[in-house]
Amino acid sequence: DGGITQSPKYLFRKEGQNVTLSCEQNLNHDAMYWYRQDPGQGLRLIYYSQIVNDFQKGDIAEGYSVSREKKESFPLTVTSAQKNPTAFYLCASSMQSDGTQYFGPGTRLLVL
Amino acid sequence: AQSVTQLDSQVPVFEEAPVELRCNYSSSVSVYLFWYVQYPNQGLQLLLKYLSGSTLVESINGFEAEFNKSQTSFHLRKPSVHISDTAEYFCAGMNTGFQKLVFGTGTRLLVSP
Repeated sequence: DGGITQSPKYLFRKEGQNVTLSCEQNLNHDAMYWYRQDPGQGLRLIYYSQIVNDFQKGDIAEGYSVSREKKESFPLTVTSAQKNPTAFYLCASSMQSDGTQYFGPGTRLLVL
Repeated sequence: AQSVTQLDSQVPVFEEAPVELRCNYSSSVSVYLFWYVQYPNQGLQLLLKYLSGSTLVESINGFEAEFNKSQTSFHLRKPSVHISDTAEYFCAGMNTGFQKLVFGTGTRLLVSP
């Protein structure tokens, strides 16, 4: 059963805390992406990775970090430098040959 | 810079009526265009896409979209909507080079009985 999984579904962050959102795919896709979704603003790209051990900043990378040590995994860390982290975070992946992106179910991050 | 514009933030419609959700793209965006649907608290699901070939593309649940190069549009249509079509719909375009999607701000479709 192929797909993209994100965990946890809900995540709570305390002030000054770093938290990590998980994204795993078993579609054998080359590229992976992280988006942030806020009401009325659509999706904004945080980071993306085309191949293992390489990634690029998107439009709103400040306060976030990523790693791509395995093809299947692309975790996102929301650092304490991100002052407004409350949002719905979506992970996606795609084949290089096609470019069509497929999305995970999302993680909602809330600040305590 | 490339952009994708969804002209309506919300579209109310009665069940079994036709609907059109509008999407326009800037000319610098590649001709790869997509429509995604999002139900509350879920991820985005691919509805349909235009990569090349026939300008009219269809989804399995009755939606269709037509790529119109002269009007730089990719409007989504359905001849008869159901209550279950209530969701948010996103139009997206792919820039040339690497596959980086640019999203519109979304249109909320509200179907009432």
